Amino acid sequence: EVQLVESGGGLVQPGGSLRVSCAASGFSFSNYWMYWVRQAPGKGLVWVSRIKSDGSSTSYADSVKGRFTISRDNAKNTLYLQMNSLRAEDTAVYYCAREYGDNDFDIWGQGTMVTVSS
Amino acid sequence: QSALTQPPSASGSPGQSVTISCTGTSSDVGGYNYVSWYQQYPDKAPKLMIYEVTKRPSGVPDRFSGSKSGNTASLTVSGLQAEDEADYYCSSYAGSNNVVFGGGTKLTVL
Repeated sequence: EVQLVESGGGLVQPGGSLRVSCAASGFSFSNYWMYWVRQAPGKGLVWVSRIKSDGSSTSYADSVKGRFTISRDNAKNTLYLQMNSLRAEDTAVYYCAREYGDNDFDIWGQGTMVTVSS
Repeated sequence: QSALTQPPSASGSPGQSVTISCTGTSSDVGGYNYVSWYQQYPDKAPKLMIYEVTKRPSGVPDRFSGSKSGNTASLTVSGLQAEDEADYYCSSYAGSNNVVFGGGTKLTVL
């Protein structure tokens, strides 16, 4: 079964750091661009970051640029998002997603909740 | 990276058709044929319904269709069914390796 499973979410204080992970299974992970998309409670979807299949190219939304780092380990079939200098407005469910064609996403994880609060 | 504009809500009776709009600019929706639509049930992950403006992934009913005119894309759901009640989000490539989503539309089946 094609599957993405996120982990690593939790409660963190403002200014703190957290790394969330996304374990892929059932497909050739190393062949796909991967993305992180977040959704604040009761709000819409927001694109966060993307990474090329071989990890050689990354991009970020302006709101997280310089604070978040996307990476991947193709040997472990795992995608990561390192989040530093966290702010209250980063509170959201973080989804990883697989690119289907161009800039669209056919497989999503169940999401992991990140709460930034003192 | 401004969000695309969607109506907050839409509704229709079973069997009817409903169209949800998604308005952007020439830098996103109008500039690329990379508009997608997602269906999301409460507390669930989104599901891809339409990609590249008009294409349907395998398994998506042909009651769902997409189109685009200028800076506005549209999702039409024909023959509304109770299970179509969900939130719908559009997205578009916005250049410079960025993707932008719409604010979402809550579809109610009356």
